[in-house]
Amino acid sequence: AQSVTQLGSHVSVSEGALVLLRCNYSSSVPPYLFWYVQYPNQGLQLLLKYTSAATLVKGINGFEAEFKKSETSFHLTKPSAHMSDAAEYFCAVSEQAGGTSYGKLTFGQGTILTVHP
Amino acid sequence: ETGVTQSPTHLIKTRGQQVTLRCSSQSGHNTVSWYQQALGQGPQFIFQYYREEENGRGNFPPRFSGLQFPNYSSELNVNALELDDSALYLCASSSGGVDTEAFFGQGTRLTVV
Repeated sequence: AQSVTQLGSHVSVSEGALVLLRCNYSSSVPPYLFWYVQYPNQGLQLLLKYTSAATLVKGINGFEAEFKKSETSFHLTKPSAHMSDAAEYFCAVSEQAGGTSYGKLTFGQGTILTVHP
Repeated sequence: ETGVTQSPTHLIKTRGQQVTLRCSSQSGHNTVSWYQQALGQGPQFIFQYYREEENGRGNFPPRFSGLQFPNYSSELNVNALELDDSALYLCASSSGGVDTEAFFGQGTRLTVV
């Protein structure tokens, strides 16, 4: 079974500082990896996904992530944090749910990002 | 294009009762997955429905059951509620394979007392 580990349940940065959220995965097959963001009392919104094309993936709101197979990592970064980035972030790996090719997601525990002025 | 909608948004039930949560999938999507998100945790996969059939199940007991209707909307039923069932229940719909995006609803917050 695949698994995801997010290092650091809470990350705090200053506005304008670099954001780095860490994600390591375990998978016996080439993984499909996703980052989702969750704002308070809301569902999950996709930030970006890796599906074996380019290893550096650009997403929405200035976020990007780099797939590193040798390190089994898929860390999320943003060069300059904004107050509106404060939310919870989830890394997830996708695998087949059953007899079809449709995917089910295995999520990490989440990282709460706080941005202070 | 309508998004994924869930109802109700909040619900309080007593231990031992039964509950039904509803989800309307995004237009054009034929697959619905349900996830349970306990406080401070990441979402956990409950099961998935594809063309009205269960297509994969996570580590949840049989008292968690579901349905998918011909219009691809779905229900999650939980019998004999336990206090640990208190969580945010998320529905996600998709239309493609294992590498495609799942679109999530706002969730239903279930509290069991």
